[in-house]
Amino acid sequence: TQLLEQSPQFLSIQEGENLTVYCNSSSVFSSLQWYRQEPGEGPVLLVTVVTGGEVKKLKRLTFQFGDARKDSSLHITAAQPGDTGLYLCAGDGGSEKLVFGKGMKLTVNP
Amino acid sequence: KAGVTQTPRYLIKTRGQQVTLSCSPISGHRSVSWYQQTPGQGLQFLFEYFSETQRNKGNFPGRFSGRQFSNSRSEMNVSTLELGDSALYLCASSPDRLTDTQYFGPGTRLTVL
Repeated sequence: TQLLEQSPQFLSIQEGENLTVYCNSSSVFSSLQWYRQEPGEGPVLLVTVVTGGEVKKLKRLTFQFGDARKDSSLHITAAQPGDTGLYLCAGDGGSEKLVFGKGMKLTVNP
Repeated sequence: KAGVTQTPRYLIKTRGQQVTLSCSPISGHRSVSWYQQTPGQGLQFLFEYFSETQRNKGNFPGRFSGRQFSNSRSEMNVSTLELGDSALYLCASSPDRLTDTQYFGPGTRLTVL
């Protein structure tokens, strides 16, 4: 069974701080997606990483796919209250299904 | 384009009842997937429908079933509800493959008393 472990599970920080979320597995994924889910809404795709070692930037968010395509990280610089939400990683393990991590709940306090 | 819509948004049922949830995908999307989201287990895949056929299935009991209509709209049914079925049920659509970007609806919050 393919699993994606996310850490930390919860994080509460002050506005302006930096943070990193990790998504780890013992399995290889052909691609990995990151979603953000706000309360009362469904997840929304932030980025898809496909190539081992790939780094993608989306404004203050930096996503990295591990060289072995077993792990990924999301780094947020100078967090803002609008970044509050549940961050989910999801991997394509080749079984025509997406495997989701349980998510990291982020609260950014003003 | 209109996003994925789900109805109803909230439901309260009692144990033993059955429930039907509805999902309208983004126009042109042929793949519709259903997920159950709970605080303890996170987001778990229920099943995927493509062109009115179930193409993928997760590890849920037979009480959970679904179908897709010719216009790609999908319904999910849960029979003989249990307390543990209380969850947010999310529907997602994609143009073709389930592993492509999933466009999620806002979900249906089901509470079983």
